[in-house]
Amino acid sequence: AQKITQTQPGMFVQEKEAVTLDCTYDTSDPSYGLFWYKQPSSGEMIFLIYQGSYDQQNATEGRYSLNFQKARKSANLVISASQLGDSAMYFCAMREVNTGGFKTIFGAGTRLFVKA
Amino acid sequence: DGGITQSPKYLFRKEGQNVTLSCEQNLNHDAMYWYRQDPGQGLRLIYYSQIVNDFQKGDIAEGYSVSREKKESFPLTVTSAQKNPTAFYLCASSIGGSAQGLSYEQYFGPGTRLTVT
Repeated sequence: AQKITQTQPGMFVQEKEAVTLDCTYDTSDPSYGLFWYKQPSSGEMIFLIYQGSYDQQNATEGRYSLNFQKARKSANLVISASQLGDSAMYFCAMREVNTGGFKTIFGAGTRLFVKA
Repeated sequence: DGGITQSPKYLFRKEGQNVTLSCEQNLNHDAMYWYRQDPGQGLRLIYYSQIVNDFQKGDIAEGYSVSREKKESFPLTVTSAQKNPTAFYLCASSIGGSAQGLSYEQYFGPGTRLTVT
């Protein structure tokens, strides 16, 4: 069964430093997609970055990069140069081909606190 | 501005009453979704719809019902059969899905916080 694990309930980082949020996943489907979403205190989910299972390079979007280690089934999010506005919940998510490509499962999330 | 609207933001109901949560999108997306979020947890899929007049159960559909009569609208009814309805409900949409569309990210509404007493 597909599963997403985020082992860090909370993380602290100093402003302007980089931080890595961990995500491991479990799937038997060779074709899948991995997502990271940010949820500020307002509650709305914001898409950050996507990595496909067949993508050869790690995805990057501005200050966000995804450290994809396929053999370890790991998809960690790296935020560089943290800003106070990065304080939020962060969710790792996965979608598989064998579930029709619509069903997305989410991890429990990591709450990031950025200190001034 | 294109986006997803959910109303109301806060909703209070007495136990035993059905309640309908609204979700409207003007992104021209085919697929729409309903998720439930409990404190300290991730999102769990309730229902999803790939196209108009079609919808599928997610992982926790019991006690919920949906309809998809228009492309823009995907209302969720929380029935009295739902044992623990108090939660934060998020509606989302995406361009589509399928094996060729794994990369389609979801766009989320602001959510509705439902409290049932």
